[in-house]
Amino acid sequence: AQSVTQPDIHITVSEGASLELRCNYSYGATPYLFWYVQSPGQGLQLLLKYFSGDTLVQGIKGFEAEFKRSQSSFNLRKPSVHWSDAAEYFCAVVPPNSGGSNYKLTFGKGTLLTVNP
Amino acid sequence: DAMVIQNPRYQVTQFGKPVTLSCSQTLNHNVMYWYQQKSSQAPKLLFHYYDKDFNNEADTPDNFQSRRPNTSFCFLDIRSPGLGDAAMYLCATSRDRAGGSYNEQFFGPGTRLTVL
Repeated sequence: AQSVTQPDIHITVSEGASLELRCNYSYGATPYLFWYVQSPGQGLQLLLKYFSGDTLVQGIKGFEAEFKRSQSSFNLRKPSVHWSDAAEYFCAVVPPNSGGSNYKLTFGKGTLLTVNP
Repeated sequence: DAMVIQNPRYQVTQFGKPVTLSCSQTLNHNVMYWYQQKSSQAPKLLFHYYDKDFNNEADTPDNFQSRRPNTSFCFLDIRSPGLGDAAMYLCATSRDRAGGSYNEQFFGPGTRLTVL
């Protein structure tokens, strides 16, 4: 079945430490890939996206993500985490050319990031 | 700035009392979406409008309806809210349903619905 998986429900890091949030997808072709962040009680903010081309994508707030076709992954990274990065992070996909469903944004279950001082 | 606006941000209703949530956009996008997000869960698509064409997801309960009177506005109507409908409701827009940047979705801040 087509799906997007975020293996880590909750991650805790210390401020200043590096961060990697994992995302894997299961589709026949490479979907369009997105990372969103959601602060408590807020809507979703797009961090970055991948449609095609360069597999290392730069986003806002110092985040980057790397698309790896061989691993069906699109992991989110940040070299040094700030306390304000504490939030929930959602990986999402839109399957390409999927018979009329190519509008449908499917989310992973999210990873909650806690940042310790 | 062009944006997606949702009103109200917080809505309290009583069990069984109809409620309407509002979304407006200044992006002039063709597509508007409504998502339901329950606590600690991922957003779940309820339905979307492509221009005036309404598209319901197969598992969206009949209790949820939507209206789009013009390009800028879209409403979510819950006819008889139950306790299980308490959630954050997110509105999103995209330029089109084509590929790549055309279907990138822009989200509003959400309306948190409480059912008493």
